[in-house]
Formats: sequence, structure tokens, C-alpha cells
Amino acid sequence: DQQVKQNSPSLSVQEGRISILNCDYTNSMFDYFLWYKKYPAEGPTFLISISSIKDKNEDGRFTVFLNKSAKHLSLHIVPSQPGDSAVYFCAASDRQGAQKLVFGQGTRLTINP
Amino acid sequence: DGGITQSPKYLFRKEGQNVTLSCEQNLNHDAMYWYRQDPGQGLRLIYYSQIVNDFQKGDIAEGYSVSREKKESFPLTVTSAQKNPTAFYLCASSIGSGIGAPEAFFGQGTRLTVV
Repeated sequence: DQQVKQNSPSLSVQEGRISILNCDYTNSMFDYFLWYKKYPAEGPTFLISISSIKDKNEDGRFTVFLNKSAKHLSLHIVPSQPGDSAVYFCAASDRQGAQKLVFGQGTRLTINP
Repeated sequence: DGGITQSPKYLFRKEGQNVTLSCEQNLNHDAMYWYRQDPGQGLRLIYYSQIVNDFQKGDIAEGYSVSREKKESFPLTVTSAQKNPTAFYLCASSIGSGIGAPEAFFGQGTRLTVV
């Protein structure tokens, strides 16, 4: 059973516009959420995270929004740049448990010039 | 220069042979993890270890084995019992349990191909 879902396998956005990547989760024990960026044949790199006590966290061009009642989070990238083209993974953790991360399937983001 | 080192980057194995993937970290992290990525899929957890000499099965542990004899090292053995071993394997580490943030830092991965 997929506890973290990214329902859009791919997304194409014009350079300079906003990219919005979505993620849904089912386990109400998750209390920390992260976004990772991954290029082909490389390990994922950490982008931004949010604790369940917050509903928004911002870091430069990246903002993560959390809606706990809907069990939904999103990553906003604005403005989008060609270097943002990559696969983005959403992950969730239960910090009271083993803290292992549960990942979604990923969304491939393509930024068009 | 702190980080996680996986070796080798590419590995070829004959069907029926065991192979061990190396993972070393110098971040002084307590927790280490092994994930597997297949095309079009997310990262699936194979094994994880929160402390030396202790480890737990993840979601897809069958056909794999691990050891954690040192804090810095968490090798993964892909045994001949693993039915579909060709994949991209990722090792990660984090500070471990507690109130700290659970960000995991990843190595560059090992692509294993069974020929």
C-alpha cells in the first residue's frame, strides 16, 4: 500500500513561471515531510522540509505547503529555471518511530525555455 | 569533506552470484539506509540501521542481507535469492532517532546489472 503518492509522473512548465508539484499521504503518524531533487544516475539531494506543526516553509525560490486535514503537501518553485529540470521526490517520516523516510514515486519536472 | 561514498558506481554480476555493495559515511550519523530505485518508481527501503550492530528489514528485504559492524559502514549484499536484482541502489544516512530533523543524505548510487 503506497503511503506517499505523487500522482503526476511528469510536469512541463515554461521558464520563469511557477512549478507546482503535489504529494498526498495516507499515514496520519507522519509528522515531517521532505522534498528531494534527483538527476539521472545520481543520488537525491535534499531541497526543503516541513514539520507537521507548520503549514508553510520557504527557502529562496522553493516553498512547501502542508495541509494536514487533507493529508496533502505541495512544492512551489518560482520562478522556474532550466536547472530545475529533474525528478522530484516527496518523502515523509514518523519521527516518533524509526525515522525512516517513505518516498513517493517521483514527478519528472521539465522546464522549457 | 563530509559525505557518503558508495562503491562501485557500476557493477555487473552473473546470475546466481552474490555481490556486496559498499557504503561508507563520515558524517557521524547513527542511522543508515539502503534504498532501491527501479525505472518509473520511487525509492523503496531495503534495510535500515539505527545503531551499530542493529538493523531492521524494510519493505523489500527478501534476497538481501546487511551488516553494521562499524558506525561508518553499512554494506549491502545482494544474494542469488533476489529474483530481480538489476536496479539502482542508494545508500543514505541521517542523524537517527530523536527530535532532530530526519533529513537523509544520499550517496551517488550503484547501478547493478545482472548479466
